[in-house]
Amino acid sequence: AQTVTQSQPEMSVQEAETVTLSCTYDTSESDYYLFWYKQPPSRQMILVIRQEAYKQQNATENRFSVNFQKAAKSFSLKISDSQLGDAAMYFCAYNNAGNMLTFGGGTRLMVKP
Amino acid sequence: ETGVTQTPRHLVMGMTNKKSLKCEQHLGHNAMYWYKQSAKKPLELMFVYSLEERVENNSVPSRFSPECPNSSHLFLHLHTLQPEDSALYLCASSRDRGLGNTIYFGEGSWLTVV
Repeated sequence: AQTVTQSQPEMSVQEAETVTLSCTYDTSESDYYLFWYKQPPSRQMILVIRQEAYKQQNATENRFSVNFQKAAKSFSLKISDSQLGDAAMYFCAYNNAGNMLTFGGGTRLMVKP
Repeated sequence: ETGVTQTPRHLVMGMTNKKSLKCEQHLGHNAMYWYKQSAKKPLELMFVYSLEERVENNSVPSRFSPECPNSSHLFLHLHTLQPEDSALYLCASSRDRGLGNTIYFGEGSWLTVV
């Protein structure tokens, strides 16, 4: 079974600064996807970014980018120019055949004005 | 605005009650999911439906009974629940069950069992 670990229960960042959230996973499969989801106080899970395991190029979406290290089974999320609206729970998730997600425990991100 | 809507947003029920959670997706998707998010555990997959057929049951107790009458609607019927079943129940959908298809979530239904 796959496992996803987020070792940082909480992180804080100053507005306009950069922060990196860590995620590691364990799998024996070669083809899979990885996702970062954001969960604001409204509780809706919102997709932030996705990465296919076969793609070596790290995914980017505006201020959000990932550092995907397949051999190390690491998938960190970097948020640049942090904004107050970025404050939320962030979940790393592993996606395998059957399109089922295995989630990490989450990291609460606080943004200081 | 979300393409996946859940009702009710909050529900309080006694252990002997029978209630249902409803989910509707407006995205034309063929796969729907129930996830459970409790305070002390990571999000857990409960059920998966594909084209209205249940394809996964992640060892969920029988006091939770899902129903998918069509590809747009998903229900979770609840009966004789326990206080430890109190949690946020998230419904989600995706185009199909192909690897990597983005899964879209609703805002969840907060369930409190008293």
